[in-house]
Amino acid sequence: ILNVEQSPQSLHVQEGDSTNFTCSFPSSNFYALHWYRWETAKSPEALFVMTLNGDEKKKGRISATLNTKEGYSYLYIKGSQPEDSATYLCAFNPYTGTASKLTFGTGTRLQVTL
Amino acid sequence: GAGVSQSPSNKVTEKGKDVELRCDPISGHTALYWYRQSLGQGLEFLIYFQGNSAPDKSGLPSDRFSAERTGGSVSTLTIQRTQQEDSAVYLCASSLALDRMGDTQYFGPGTRLTVL
Repeated sequence: ILNVEQSPQSLHVQEGDSTNFTCSFPSSNFYALHWYRWETAKSPEALFVMTLNGDEKKKGRISATLNTKEGYSYLYIKGSQPEDSATYLCAFNPYTGTASKLTFGTGTRLQVTL
Repeated sequence: GAGVSQSPSNKVTEKGKDVELRCDPISGHTALYWYRQSLGQGLEFLIYFQGNSAPDKSGLPSDRFSAERTGGSVSTLTIQRTQQEDSAVYLCASSLALDRMGDTQYFGPGTRLTVL
């Protein structure tokens, strides 16, 4: 059983605060690490797919880093806004030779208030 | 273009009844995945399809669960003799191709199943 852990479980910040979450995953047999944002009553939205150790990706105020050797990824949100309120999921994609069979963490639930 | 759609959005059923959940993937996506999220749990892989075939059914929790895909498009997840522990949000996702690992999976809005 693959163990993908996310911390913290939940986070409550004020508008304008910067914040970050952690995803830890197995360091062996790594192929890719996915980040998703899941707003209530909507579909999970893909943020990043990361494959290279040391990779850093950015989308607007959101960025992510990847360390495959030690098995962790950080997601950063700069200047949080209320519309950033959502659950942020990471998913580990091991090398299986064929399929993108993802193992998800339980997510970090972010609430941003005015 | 249109995203992944799922129906129904909500389903309440009585214990012991059968239910069918439908997924319509993005046009042209050959890979299709089913996941579920039970209360307090992460998204759990159930099954994937490449075209109409399902190479890996290992995630299906019991033989009461089955899935099929026809015409390389729409997929149906069937749960027979539902139990209360089947209550969860069932999510479907699609991607361009199964053999392109690391491909982004695009999710539908899910079906919330409640078994009374």
